[in-house]
Amino acid sequence: AAGVIQSPRHLIKEKRETATLKCYPIPRHDTVYWYQQGPGQDPQFLISFYEKMQSDKGSIPDRFSAQQFSDYHSELNMSSLELGDSALYFCASSLVAASTDTQYFGPGTRLTVL
Amino acid sequence: QKEVEQDPGPLSVPEGAIVSLNCTYSNSAFQYFMWYRQYSRKGPELLMYTYSSGNKEDGRFTAQVDKSSKYISLFIRDSQPSDSATYLCAMSAGNAGNMLTFGGGTRLMVKP
Repeated sequence: AAGVIQSPRHLIKEKRETATLKCYPIPRHDTVYWYQQGPGQDPQFLISFYEKMQSDKGSIPDRFSAQQFSDYHSELNMSSLELGDSALYFCASSLVAASTDTQYFGPGTRLTVL
Repeated sequence: QKEVEQDPGPLSVPEGAIVSLNCTYSNSAFQYFMWYRQYSRKGPELLMYTYSSGNKEDGRFTAQVDKSSKYISLFIRDSQPSDSATYLCAMSAGNAGNMLTFGGGTRLMVKP
């Protein structure tokens, strides 16, 4: 079965640079979520989109922005990168109409800020 | 205090043992309860999903939810070395686009 696709899988950036992470949800899923997982930490929710509209917002820094496009893929834009932004970034998707709220996670993008 | 508490372990058991993993939570709005397995540097993999209170069994895995006690459990029967991973409980209130709140994860090691 098709899973959530994330790109790139690894990204190395310098401080103050900009990064864009992409997420392609499971086909027919209408909701996308972004999570950040630091070393030894559990995933922390950043933001979610349902039918291309922002649905819920967590501890996402103002330097980050995200959107969901007409084909349901999503992009997380991160500007003025800081060393503390180094983490695994996961995208998850779900189908709200299924009423289970079950989120399926992608393999993650490992961001390293030097 | 975190909304969802989970013993970080590590939990070390011999192959074939029954493993019990648990989480407690404080938010009574949580309606959906999930268990994820995460191997090192990989994405969380959904193992079990339960709505409200009750039990659910899938192969060697059994999930239990007791909303009155705000306590959930995952049991793994006949544990295998390949079960060695971090197990994360997660829960949500269930609205569209609602965030998952995770426990900190329990690291499990199954020794041959």
